[in-house]
Amino acid sequence: AQRVTQPEKLLSVFKGAPVELKCNYSYSGSPELFWYVQYSRQRLQLLLRHISRESIKGFTADLNKGETSFHLKKPFAQEEDSAMYYCALSGQGAQKLVFGQGTRLTINP
Amino acid sequence: GAVVSQHPSWVICKSGTSVKIECRSLDFQATTMFWYRQFPKQSLMLMATSNEGSKATYEQGVEKDKFLINHASLTLSTLTVTSAHPEDSSFYICSATRTVGHEQFFGPGTRLTVL
Repeated sequence: AQRVTQPEKLLSVFKGAPVELKCNYSYSGSPELFWYVQYSRQRLQLLLRHISRESIKGFTADLNKGETSFHLKKPFAQEEDSAMYYCALSGQGAQKLVFGQGTRLTINP
Repeated sequence: GAVVSQHPSWVICKSGTSVKIECRSLDFQATTMFWYRQFPKQSLMLMATSNEGSKATYEQGVEKDKFLINHASLTLSTLTVTSAHPEDSSFYICSATRTVGHEQFFGPGTRLTVL
């Protein structure tokens, strides 16, 4: 079964501090992993995907197949990073997404 | 580019009535559209996947006779909640993709309240 787990519902850090949002997944094959973000009163949007290996808005995420994790990291948090973050998975060749429960990140000034 | 709209943004209806929600891809042709449901403070749960011109594929536990999905064109999919009841009150979100494997572009969501 496909499953995405985000253990932290809430995460609060100070501006300038490093931030890490955890994501673990369960999938028998080779999944594609994503991070989606939802800023206040805005729609869900793609932040990054593991196959592109990009750094978006200073965020990076590395797929660790051994630990079945895809944690999202940023070395220096900014206030505008405050948002709801969802980790998501799609199966190989499939389009549909399975979402984690989401983590609400709050960056304190 | 890749904008998805939903209409209405919110709707209130009486128990027993049917409600139609539209999802449109404004500047691209959507080969596949997805319908999600989100309860307060919970994650998005996929309800169904629809491809233009074919029947929708529903996720386990989703009543296809209650949640009618029509994907009549490459830019429009509709979700009709039939004989709505208070427990159907939720936030319904659609998304659309252009080709297999590409990202999903999400609509702003529709909040349904059934009295």
